[in-house]
Amino acid sequence: SAVISQKPSRDICQRGTSLTIQCQVDSQVTMMFWYRQQPGQSLTLIATANQGSEATYESGFVIDKFPISRPNLTFSTLTVSNMSPEDSSIYLCSVEDRGLVYGYTFGSGTRLTVV
Amino acid sequence: GENVEQHPSTLSVQEGDSAVIKCTYSDSASNYFPWYKQELGKGPQLIIDIRSNVGEKKDQRIAVTLNKTAKHFSLHITETQPEDSAVYFCAATSSNYGGSQGNLIFGKGTKLSVKP
Repeated sequence: SAVISQKPSRDICQRGTSLTIQCQVDSQVTMMFWYRQQPGQSLTLIATANQGSEATYESGFVIDKFPISRPNLTFSTLTVSNMSPEDSSIYLCSVEDRGLVYGYTFGSGTRLTVV
Repeated sequence: GENVEQHPSTLSVQEGDSAVIKCTYSDSASNYFPWYKQELGKGPQLIIDIRSNVGEKKDQRIAVTLNKTAKHFSLHITETQPEDSAVYFCAATSSNYGGSQGNLIFGKGTKLSVKP
């Protein structure tokens, strides 16, 4: 299955600043997704990262707050902008893997704390 | 859109016993149902999945059953071990292998504790 490298693994940031999270996949994938997991909660889809076009955002998430880049089929970034303590969560990159074994693979996540 | 309900939210069993986690979904178009295990500080890991054209799938101590008519699917873990302790998530999507894509909708998770 696809192997995902997500960076940074954790960070502590000051409110009002921005953090960019990187997701690198070891193979070309069509679909890449960004999820948020608030403390003790389930996973909520932020957006689908589309290669060569603007990301598709879910209800409650906007591009100004969570800008996403997808320059090619193996890489994407998510930026959390103008952070507040409410943005403290785990952010996860995921891909739809259509290799030998079909499935959705997740990165190890970025644990963000905003102080 | 799709909605996935998961029960129970917490489950405690003795080592060697079986554990069952149940999920229901709302969208009859959903056709792919994975289960993930998430250990503390890690991302979710796929442990088993099932497609809508199959009623049951087994992989060693883990099995998943699907009832399309009732729109529910269940995870069964037999002979539980302390290392099975984690949070388990069910999910559903209408993704078509080889065709159009969908995103996963997750249940709220079940915290499984296996006591030695």
